[in-house]
Amino acid sequence: EVQLVESGGDLAQPGRSLRLSCTGSGFSFDDYGVTWVRQAPGKGLEWVGSIRSETYGGTTKYAASVKGRFTISRDDSKSIAYLQMNTLKTEDTGVYYCCRVDEVRGDAVDIWGLGTLVTVSS
Amino acid sequence: DIQMTQSPSSLSASVGNTVTITCRASQDISNFLAWFQQRPGKAPKSLIYAASSLQSGVPSKFSGSGSGTDFTLTISDLQPEDFATYYCLQYNTYPYTFGQGTKLEI
Repeated sequence: EVQLVESGGDLAQPGRSLRLSCTGSGFSFDDYGVTWVRQAPGKGLEWVGSIRSETYGGTTKYAASVKGRFTISRDDSKSIAYLQMNTLKTEDTGVYYCCRVDEVRGDAVDIWGLGTLVTVSS
Repeated sequence: DIQMTQSPSSLSASVGNTVTITCRASQDISNFLAWFQQRPGKAPKSLIYAASSLQSGVPSKFSGSGSGTDFTLTISDLQPEDFATYYCLQYNTYPYTFGQGTKLEI
């Protein structure tokens, strides 16, 4: 079964760091890009950032709200993508989803994980 | 940044009805438009990519159309499981941007 599973969500104090993981299974992880999307409580979806596959350069892009604080990376040998979140703010609270991006089909987002909850509070 | 405006923000319908949701981009995004369904308490599910292509396993009651700045999602023969919130996403230009969502209610 093709799936993505996020982990690492937790309660953190403002200014601290967390690292989320997105583990893929049932497909060739290195053939796809990964996008992170978050959802604040009761709000809509917000694009956080993306990383391309190494075939497409492995480049990263970020939303302005997280640029300079968040870093996306990947370890294709383990089929994992990471979202390193530094200098956390209360407005970073929400459920974080990772998504598979099919670059061959023009960057279509197809598979979503179930999400992991990040709560930033003192 | 490209703004995505969805309408309506909420919509009431009945089982068996057909509904249409629209998404307007603030500039030309070609056909780099996707639609997602999110049921309460669940992760989003991909429905359509490239404005009109159905994701694998998605029933043909869902259809998408449009190009440039104006796009629509049509859902026919509404069933209880279709009552959810729907989002559009433009992925033509970074930063990618979502519409604010349309809540489809009975």
